[in-house]
Amino acid sequence: QQQVKQSPQSLIVQKGGISIINCAYENTAFDYFPWYQQFPGKGPALLIAIRPDVSEKKEGRFTISFNKSAKQFSLHIMDSQPGDSATYFCAARGASNTGKLIFGQGTTLQVKP
Amino acid sequence: DAGVTQSPTHLIKTRGQQVTLRCSPKSGHDTVSWYQQALGQGPQFIFQYYEEEERQRGNFPDRFSGHQFPNYSSELNVNALLLGDSALYLCASSRTGRSIEAFFGQGTRLTVV
Repeated sequence: QQQVKQSPQSLIVQKGGISIINCAYENTAFDYFPWYQQFPGKGPALLIAIRPDVSEKKEGRFTISFNKSAKQFSLHIMDSQPGDSATYFCAARGASNTGKLIFGQGTTLQVKP
Repeated sequence: DAGVTQSPTHLIKTRGQQVTLRCSPKSGHDTVSWYQQALGQGPQFIFQYYEEEERQRGNFPDRFSGHQFPNYSSELNVNALLLGDSALYLCASSRTGRSIEAFFGQGTRLTVV
């Protein structure tokens, strides 16, 4: 019930294409869903986040789509660039103020020039 | 703003030894969380410190302990190191009661031989 399942495990996209990463959760008490980007040897960097009362959030080329009834959310990267090549993690936070995050398994994205 | 800083960046220890990792939170943040990230996996929550006390703990043995100082910086201690403790240890800071965004440091790569 505390798990967040992420797919696909890896993704190859051509430059200019759309990258889509999906996550699913079981615990309806989760109230905050961030996405993190991680480059090799670095810590995760917060990319974009959404709360369950919003169905979509867009920041530049990055969009989160959220489906509360299906308990699923996804990250869309528009006009993907080689510099976007990294590992992406979705996460979820329980309905408390403690900030504990539960992460998905990660998706390694490769954008080919 | 220096962001979240961790030290050291890399560390090699022998089985059975003890290790201490350090974290300075982002300016204005009062909460520090520690995560363990095994190779190819998402970060796993170890514990969280707020007001110098452990507020929440993940599924980690008592060999993992921590401390938070009055200036909000934190230490993670691991005793009786096992080979399986080899991982990237990440510190994340946030501000309780305000923005729930968590920002990560670059991590400490611990190798146990």
